[in-house]
Amino acid sequence: DIQMTQSPSSLSASVGDRVTITCRASQNIRTYVNWYQQKPGKAPNLLISAASSLQNGVPPRFSGSGSGTDFTLTISSLQPEDFATYFCQQSYNTPLTFGGGTKVEIK
Amino acid sequence: EVQLVESGGGLVQPGGSLRLSCAASGFTFRTYWMSWVRQAPGKGLEWVANMKGDGSEKNYVDSVKGRFTMSRDNAKNSLYLQMNSLRAEDTAVYYCAREAMGKGATPDYWGQGTLVTVSS
Repeated sequence: DIQMTQSPSSLSASVGDRVTITCRASQNIRTYVNWYQQKPGKAPNLLISAASSLQNGVPPRFSGSGSGTDFTLTISSLQPEDFATYFCQQSYNTPLTFGGGTKVEIK
Repeated sequence: EVQLVESGGGLVQPGGSLRLSCAASGFTFRTYWMSWVRQAPGKGLEWVANMKGDGSEKNYVDSVKGRFTMSRDNAKNSLYLQMNSLRAEDTAVYYCAREAMGKGATPDYWGQGTLVTVSS
């Protein structure tokens, strides 16, 4: 199974900050990585697919990069509605696996 | 508009069974792979199973193999998860999700989830 190691597990940031979350895969998965945002009590929402493809309706302050084993989700200027938990997921093969999540909290 | 609505969750004793359903609308259901993903209380996401649009291929995470069975009825635009021999560690919110086409196994639309609690 492909392990997805996500860091940090939590972070505190202020509105306007640039935030970076990383995910490392246990093997080469090319660009088969997705990023999700989840708010309490809600289902995950797909932000980015294929490592860097922004989903329709997702603000451009979100961006993704990486290939192979190392991937990054960046929020260029954190907004109040961005405080949530973020997960990476590999879509390379089954079993699909997720990173442990990064909780973004208000400083 | 894509909509996925799960139902069938509840409280069940260890060793018991439960059948989850997911009603899909707003897209051509029979052409999409579908997944079940679960989330234990306060924990991360765990993929459970997926199935091809015509039902000809299925995959399961090891921890549910032999206990859970995924199925679908394309005439009813419905997805199912039959869960047998339930354990405390199966307690979670269960989401059904559509997998996007052409993007690997990418769940792009999710239902609101249904809570399964396994406890005596």
